[in-house]
Amino acid sequence: GAVVSQHPSRVICKSGTSVKIECRSLDFQATTMFWYRQFPKKSLMLMATSNEGSKATYEQGVEKDKFLINHASLTLSTLTVTSAHPEDSSFYICSAVASGRAGDTQYFGPGTRLTVL
Amino acid sequence: AQKVTQAQTEISVVEKEDVTLDCVYETRDTTYYLFWYKQPPSGELVFLIRRNSFDEQNEISGRYSWNFQKSTSSFNFTITASQVVDSAVYFCALSEAKGAQKLVFGQGTRLTINP
Repeated sequence: GAVVSQHPSRVICKSGTSVKIECRSLDFQATTMFWYRQFPKKSLMLMATSNEGSKATYEQGVEKDKFLINHASLTLSTLTVTSAHPEDSSFYICSAVASGRAGDTQYFGPGTRLTVL
Repeated sequence: AQKVTQAQTEISVVEKEDVTLDCVYETRDTTYYLFWYKQPPSGELVFLIRRNSFDEQNEISGRYSWNFQKSTSSFNFTITASQVVDSAVYFCALSEAKGAQKLVFGQGTRLTINP
């Protein structure tokens, strides 16, 4: 149980285009999902909290107009990188929160490697 | 503010050796959760364990064991009889018990098990 998928796993795009990344919880419902960015050999940097049915909450320094987040259902959140530039190239990882009696646990997707040419 | 420190940036051992990954945390919350995740070269973070602040019992799962010491704010992870497949980056993380459930990650420890 607690499987999270991401699509696509890898994308290469031209500068100026927009890219949409999907994050799905496959066997549980997630009111809350998170989007992270990870640079090579670095830790995960939280970008935003995605809440089902409401606006995402962005971390300080993350441009909400640049990184659009939509959490339309309890199993799907999407991150759209708008007008992508080479500096947006990174590894993007989502997580979904599974709630249990003992507490909440974040389960992570396999990540999406974005390369902007 | 919450903070997680993994002082060991890289560790390299020979297969079958035991290895301990250190994790020290800071928080003002009285109730919180601690986690360990494994990130193999494929990139996906794999959940290993969650421990709440009220449960200081050490846990063992196969070759993995965790030592939670509230007195020293540490949550160390030991791999016994290491194997090449254990090679990965390991992250320790902390979250508050209520609210946004955000995780604060340590910088990660890159573990290399050599045959």
